[in-house]
Amino acid sequence: NAGVMQNPRHLVRRRGQEARLRCSPMKGHSHVYWYRQLPEEGLKFMVYLQKENIIDESGMPKERFSAEFPKEGPSILRIQQVVRGDSAAYFCASSGGGDGETQYFGPGTRLLVL
Amino acid sequence: LAKTTQPISMDSYEGQEVNITCSHNNIATNDYITWYQQFPSQGPRFIIQGYKTKVTNEVASLFIPADRKSSTLSLPRVSLSDTAVYYCLVGDVAGTALIFGKGTTLSVSS
Repeated sequence: NAGVMQNPRHLVRRRGQEARLRCSPMKGHSHVYWYRQLPEEGLKFMVYLQKENIIDESGMPKERFSAEFPKEGPSILRIQQVVRGDSAAYFCASSGGGDGETQYFGPGTRLLVL
Repeated sequence: LAKTTQPISMDSYEGQEVNITCSHNNIATNDYITWYQQFPSQGPRFIIQGYKTKVTNEVASLFIPADRKSSTLSLPRVSLSDTAVYYCLVGDVAGTALIFGKGTTLSVSS
């Protein structure tokens, strides 16, 4: 059973460009969570999605950030017009199915904004 | 979600048993206690979860006293590869965001 997959693992963008981060949940999982981790900090919740629905986006910045989890395909975290402060590790977790509600994390995408 | 308090860092030697205690005085009736491990440049890895008394798996044991206001993660016979950050989280895990603190940085030396 493959784990949570994220790609790309590393992403470099210049200020003002767009960043798209993808997350494929574990097989059978229907819940996806996105977290952001700054250096030397713990993970901060951003958004919780189920298929085609945003359940909780209380941790998402109000501007430039959006997330989706379509009926088919991976979940996407999109950051428009990136700024240097967006540089961080972005982790996706999934839960649901026979594994219950335990959240299993992917390897993360490290975004560097130049 | 209940706030947790755990030591910032701990040091140990290979082969020793390590116990990391987490305080969660405001734990609610529906809350579970979950521990994650994180290595540098990797995502958190689920270690163990419990509600009360003792839970044991192939990796660790989790001890929870009757009042549930604290919990202790026990790692038997640690090795160098157990050097990592360990996070204690408390909450109703059903479809909720996990609240991570700074965790406990465990350093294992030879």
